[in-house]
Amino acid sequence: EVQLVQSGAEVKKPGRSLRISCQGSGYTFTGYWIGWVRQMPGKGLEWMGIIYPGDSDTRYSPSFQGQVTISADKSITTAYLQWSRLKASDTAMYYCASGSPYDAFTFWGQGTMVIVSS
Amino acid sequence: DIQMTQSPSTLSASVGDRVTITCRASQSFSSWLAWYQQKPGKAPKLLIYKVSSLQNGVPSRFSGSGSGTEFTLTISSLQPDDFATYYCQQYNSFPWTFGQGTKVEIK
Repeated sequence: EVQLVQSGAEVKKPGRSLRISCQGSGYTFTGYWIGWVRQMPGKGLEWMGIIYPGDSDTRYSPSFQGQVTISADKSITTAYLQWSRLKASDTAMYYCASGSPYDAFTFWGQGTMVIVSS
Repeated sequence: DIQMTQSPSTLSASVGDRVTITCRASQSFSSWLAWYQQKPGKAPKLLIYKVSSLQNGVPSRFSGSGSGTEFTLTISSLQPDDFATYYCQQYNSFPWTFGQGTKVEIK
């Protein structure tokens, strides 16, 4: 069974750094893209970026380029989304999802809620 | 970037209704269009990929069609479990982009 298990909810102060994770299992981790999707409270889905763990090829949406860093450690089948300096506007639910350029995002994590507040 | 625009933003319908949601792209592309369903507090779920291919386990009342810049999701007979928000997504080119969503409400 394919599973993407995300790290738990986070409450952080503005200006702090954060890394959240997404561990894949039940499939060939290096053979599929893993992407990150933001959903701000009461809003729609926003595609942030994606990584191919097989060769670490990473693509970002222009809206998120320079704001976050996506990485992966294939030895532990885990992808990461990282901020160096959080802002209140980063408060959102973040989903990871795996898929391919054939069938898009087939499998999704359960989501990680990030709250940034002073 | 390819911008995706869904219509309507909200749709009120009754159980048994035929429902159609439209997704328009800012530029033409061939086949790489997906539809997702999201219920409150839950992760999105893939319904349809490659315009019209039904994901495993998705009821056959869901169907997708279209090409070029206009794509549609149709629910042939709306069921109580179908009240949710639906998103289209193009994955023809990076950045993959979502439509803004269509909320299907009970009439």
